[in-house]
Amino acid sequence: GNSVTQMEGPVTLSEEAFLTINCTYTATGYPSLFWYVQYPGEGLQLLLKATKADDKGSNKGFEATYRKETTSFHLEKGSVQVSDSAVYFCALRYGGSQGNLIFGKGTKLSVKP
Amino acid sequence: GAVVSQHPSRVICKSGTSVKIECRSLDFQATTMFWYRQFPKQSLMLMATSNEGSKATYEQGVEKDKFLINHASLTLSTLTVTSAHPEDSSFYICSANVQGTPYEQYFGPGTRLTVT
Repeated sequence: GNSVTQMEGPVTLSEEAFLTINCTYTATGYPSLFWYVQYPGEGLQLLLKATKADDKGSNKGFEATYRKETTSFHLEKGSVQVSDSAVYFCALRYGGSQGNLIFGKGTKLSVKP
Repeated sequence: GAVVSQHPSRVICKSGTSVKIECRSLDFQATTMFWYRQFPKQSLMLMATSNEGSKATYEQGVEKDKFLINHASLTLSTLTVTSAHPEDSSFYICSANVQGTPYEQYFGPGTRLTVT
């Protein structure tokens, strides 16, 4: 079946460090891929998305590339800030725009000054 | 941006009672709303999809008689956990699609339910 696996946290980094959060997926067909972020006390927000192979999603300095050959969608940021501390969820959607989202377990990121 | 609110943010109830959770889209109309459940250190699991004015579609394994969903208007969906038991304790999250932007789901902040 369809599933998403992301690295377990928590991840603790110093400010300005490089961030990678790994995400791999299992899916039939060609899903769309998403990263959501949940800041403390708030709802999940869409961070970035990619809808086809080799697409790169980017937002707020974060990037992720849809790699069909490795079934991956790793999240990266070159220099994290304290304000990036949050829980990050990788997700896929199958079945087109009306399909459901399938989430990974989330990775908690803490950035220390 | 589109904002989704949930009320209450936390609720504690006794076993055997029912509790209602509200999900509202504050500045947009939501033809479709989703209800998720999240256990500690687990991913969000879709419980049901509700469309305004029609019956909700439940995911496999979700008891429709236990988790009653009503989507009576374009800005409000409610989830009622009936005859709650301690195993129903969880974090419940709703989300909504903005009409015309199906890739965007806007999420509420969640409701922590504790059944004692």
